[in-house]
Order: sequence, then structure tokens, then C-alpha cells
Amino acid sequence: GEDVEQSLFLSVREGDSSVINCTYTDSSSTYLYWYKQEPGAGLQLLTYIFSNMDMKQDQRLTVLLNKKDKHLSLRIADTQTGDSAIYFCAERLRGSYIPTFGRGTSLIVHP
Amino acid sequence: NAGVTQTPKFQVLKTGQSMTLQCAQDMNHNSMYWYRQDPGMGLRLIYYSASEGTTDKGEVPNGYNVSRLNKREFSLRLESAAPSQTSVYFCASSEADRGGSDTQYFGPGTRLTVL
Repeated sequence: GEDVEQSLFLSVREGDSSVINCTYTDSSSTYLYWYKQEPGAGLQLLTYIFSNMDMKQDQRLTVLLNKKDKHLSLRIADTQTGDSAIYFCAERLRGSYIPTFGRGTSLIVHP
Repeated sequence: NAGVTQTPKFQVLKTGQSMTLQCAQDMNHNSMYWYRQDPGMGLRLIYYSASEGTTDKGEVPNGYNVSRLNKREFSLRLESAAPSQTSVYFCASSEADRGGSDTQYFGPGTRLTVL
């Protein structure tokens, strides 16, 4: 079965880089997602990567995938106070309807 | 496009009362989902509808029923609310492109308190 693990909290200073980590269980034909949830709102997709890729970059966001260790990370460059939110990692096997979500990492950005 | 909409935004019920949470999407998506979010538990799938006319149980279906009214609408019903159902409920939809990225789009949530 699938299991997605994340640390629960991360605190960084404004302007620093943030790295949020996630481990997953299945490495064959898997989509891996990062979602952001701001207070009082629903989840919003930030980015996704397929398991045959190593890296994906989109502006301040960099996703790195280590297939050997089944480790996914989201790096946010020049972190701003507006980046304070809960970040969810999710895994979905290709061919399945259902993603498995981690418990979310609360990112707190200090001025 | 409004995306995924949910009503109501907030609701307080007494134990034993019933209610229906409404969800609609305007993206012509085939699949729709209901999740609950509890502190420290992440998202747990209650029910989903892979396509119009089908519904299936998720991880935590007990105490809930669903109806896929048409392609746009997917409702969640609590027949006899219990305090353990106090939670934030999210509806989501996706194209059902199982071979592709099949991103889920989420509504803003319904915050339910059962006293």
C-alpha cells in the first residue's frame, strides 16, 4: 500500500530557502504532487512530477526526486511571509483514481 | 469559471441531526471526491465518484452517504451527526485521466461542528 510521510513543522526566516521533505512508498509509474493550503482555504496545486523525472523547476519552486530513497523535496527560494501555509505531499499510482496524501508540513516564515 | 464550490461554508449541528453538504464543479470533470481534514491527520477520503453514475467508498465512509446528482454535482449526507464528525470537509474534482497527471482541484471547504 501507499504511505506518504512528512515532518509536521518547519520554521524559516524571511529571505532564506525552505526545504520541505516527503517520503513515499511506491516508485513504479507514480505521480507526486505538492499542494499548498493557506489558512481557511482549500488545497491548491503547486506542482507535480512524474517518477521518471529527477527535478522540476518553476520560478521559486524546485522539486527534487530521489527515486532510490523514495524521497521528494520542495525547495522554496527567497521564502516570503506569504509562503506561510501547510504544504501537502501526495502520491498517486498511474492508473489509479486515488492519491494518498501526507499529513502536511506547516511552514512558518518569520520576518 | 468558479472551479469547485461548496455550501455551506460553516455549519453547527446537534448530535443526531442530519444535513447535506453540497459540491459543484464547472470544469466538466469526470471524477469527484469528498475528504475530511482533521488536525494532524491530513486528508482522508470519505467517498469518491470516478464518473457520473458511480460512487465508491474511501478510507472513512462510515456515517456518510453520497449522491452523484449529475456530472457537476456531488453531495455528502450525514444522516445522524456525531461529535466525531466535527471536521473540515473538502470536495475535489479531477478529469479522471488516470494515465496522466490527473490533478485534483479543491473547493474552499465546509467547517462542520457537531455538538
